Amino acid sequence: AQSVTQLDSHVSVSEGTPVLLRCNYSSSYSPSLFWYVQHPNKGLQLLLKYTSAATLVKGINGFEAEFKKSETSFHLTKPSAHMSDAAEYFCVVITGGFKTIFGAGTRLFVKA
Amino acid sequence: DGGITQSPKYLFRKEGQNVTLSCEQNLNHDAMYWYRQDPGQGLRLIYYSQIVNDFQKGDIAEGYSVSREKKESFPLTVTSAQKNPTAFYLCASSISSWTGAGNTIYFGEGSWLTVV
Repeated sequence: AQSVTQLDSHVSVSEGTPVLLRCNYSSSYSPSLFWYVQHPNKGLQLLLKYTSAATLVKGINGFEAEFKKSETSFHLTKPSAHMSDAAEYFCVVITGGFKTIFGAGTRLFVKA
Repeated sequence: DGGITQSPKYLFRKEGQNVTLSCEQNLNHDAMYWYRQDPGQGLRLIYYSQIVNDFQKGDIAEGYSVSREKKESFPLTVTSAQKNPTAFYLCASSISSWTGAGNTIYFGEGSWLTVV
């Protein structure tokens, strides 16, 4: 069965420190993997996507993610957090056929 | 600018009323979707449409209805049969519903529905 697990429901960092949001997936097929960000009362904005090209994917706003097939992980990172990064982040897997699976979300808090 | 437009942003429904949320896209996408998001929770699929005049139930279709008469439009009606409709509703679209490399889903800004 296909699934997505975001390992932390909340992550809190200080401004200027690194961000790590963790995502593990399970898929019988070669998946496409995405990270989206959602600010309060807004839609989901695409941060980055992996589609079987380079395993290290760079996205917008300084975020990047690394696809690790052996670990079935797609963790999102940023070297230095900014106050504007405070939001909810969703890891998403699209598997074979038609099936889009959303993670439960990780809320990122950034302290001044 | 290309994108997905949802309206209204905020909507209040009285008990027993049907309400319709609008979703329009100018991305020339074949597939469109409606998701429901409850506070602090992830997204759940209500309905999706792969092409005009065709749509399929998602995981939580009860109490909702949709139509797809035009490629760019996919309105969602929340009927009185939906007992707990207060939520944030997100419309989305993609080039097609079949997976393939880079079949990205794009989202609208969402609509808040509250029962009063």
